[in-house]
Parts: sequence; structure tokens; C-alpha cells
Amino acid sequence: GQQLNQSPQSMFIQEGEDVSMNCTSSSIFNTWLWYKQDPGEGPVLLIALYKAGELTSNGRLTAQFGITRKDSFLNISASIPSDVGIYFCAGQFLNAGGTSYGKLTFGQGTILTVHP
Amino acid sequence: DADVTQTPRNRITKTGKRIMLECSQTKGHDRMYWYRQDPGLGLRLIYYSFDVKDINKGEISDGYSVSRQAQAKFSLSLESAIPNQTALYFCATSDYFQETQYFGPGTRLLVL
Repeated sequence: GQQLNQSPQSMFIQEGEDVSMNCTSSSIFNTWLWYKQDPGEGPVLLIALYKAGELTSNGRLTAQFGITRKDSFLNISASIPSDVGIYFCAGQFLNAGGTSYGKLTFGQGTILTVHP
Repeated sequence: DADVTQTPRNRITKTGKRIMLECSQTKGHDRMYWYRQDPGLGLRLIYYSFDVKDINKGEISDGYSVSRQAQAKFSLSLESAIPNQTALYFCATSDYFQETQYFGPGTRLLVL
């Protein structure tokens, strides 16, 4: 099955710094998603990417779908304390019959700590 | 009110006990999922259901079973709980046309 490697596993940064994290896959994905999980809650979708090369922003967040379709990155600019949490990448692979539609493969997560 | 709810939010049980985790959604989605989250392993799919009559195993279904009682309800059961099933469990839903999944708040399970 598809495997996703997400890095780094954790980051400790100062407020105001920029953050970058990425995911790589051994297989091609048709869709890349980035989720954030706040402490004690379920993951919430931040950005969805549907096309190779696509670059999408959501406020201070920017994500890109890699040209090879095997990777994606997420950048957070000018971090603030509420950016603290676990960030997950997720990919969807569509098989020939489309039966994998809706099934996601998740990365291991990046734990982000922001010091004021 | 939350769109996806899970009960209980926390549960402590003993090895060998049968327990059920419940998920309800008001989003009107056909598709529902159960995931397990362990530190450093991300979210792993246990079971998923694309409609009331469709149940499928995920990557780690051993030791678990599910029931889709209605479009809005999807339950996860541990027939005989064991300590390595201690984890955070999430339910999620999605629409047929969307790959975006919406997660519940999670159930923290401790098996002693």
C-alpha cells in the first residue's frame, strides 16, 4: 500500500518564525490534503491540493502539490502561539476502478511548538 | 452543535472486556470511517463504510468490528480489549463527491 513519510517529526520555534514541513510518498497521489489537530480535538482540514504543481494559500499557510505527484509541502509564515498543534499530510490515490475514492493515507504528523 | 460526535470521550476498561465506541453525524454524509491514532504513527484506518450496506476493512481491522446502524451512525467494537488497543480513536465522515473528511473530537481509550 501507499506509505507517506512526513518530516520533521517535531519543531520548536520562536513566535514570528516561518515553518516548513513536507511529505513524500513512494507512490503517486491524486490529491494531497493538509490537516491540523489541536490538543484534545480531531484533525481539521487546512488546505486541499488537486493538481500537480498547484500552489494554494490559506491566510499565512501555503501548500504545494509536487510536480512528481509524490510529495507536498506546507509553509506557515510568521508563526503565532495558536499555530501549536500536530500537522498531518494526507494523500488520496485513485485506482482504476475509483474504489479507493475517499480513502486517505496519513503521514505520521509534525508536532509544532511555538515559544512566545 | 458539533457535526460529528463521539461517545464516550474517555474510557478506561480492562483486558478481555467488550466495549463499543459510537459515532453520530448530522452532515448527511454517506461515508464514515474509524481511525486509530498512536504517537508517531499518524492516523491509521480501521474500518470504513461507503453506505449503510457497505462495510470494508482498513489497514488494521484485526481485533475490531463495526456496525452501520443508519446513515448517521457508525459504531466500533472491541470484542475482547487488549492493552495494545490503548489509543485515541477518531470517527470521520465524507461526502461521496469529496475527499475531504470531517473528524469527530475523538475517544481516548485506555485498556488495563
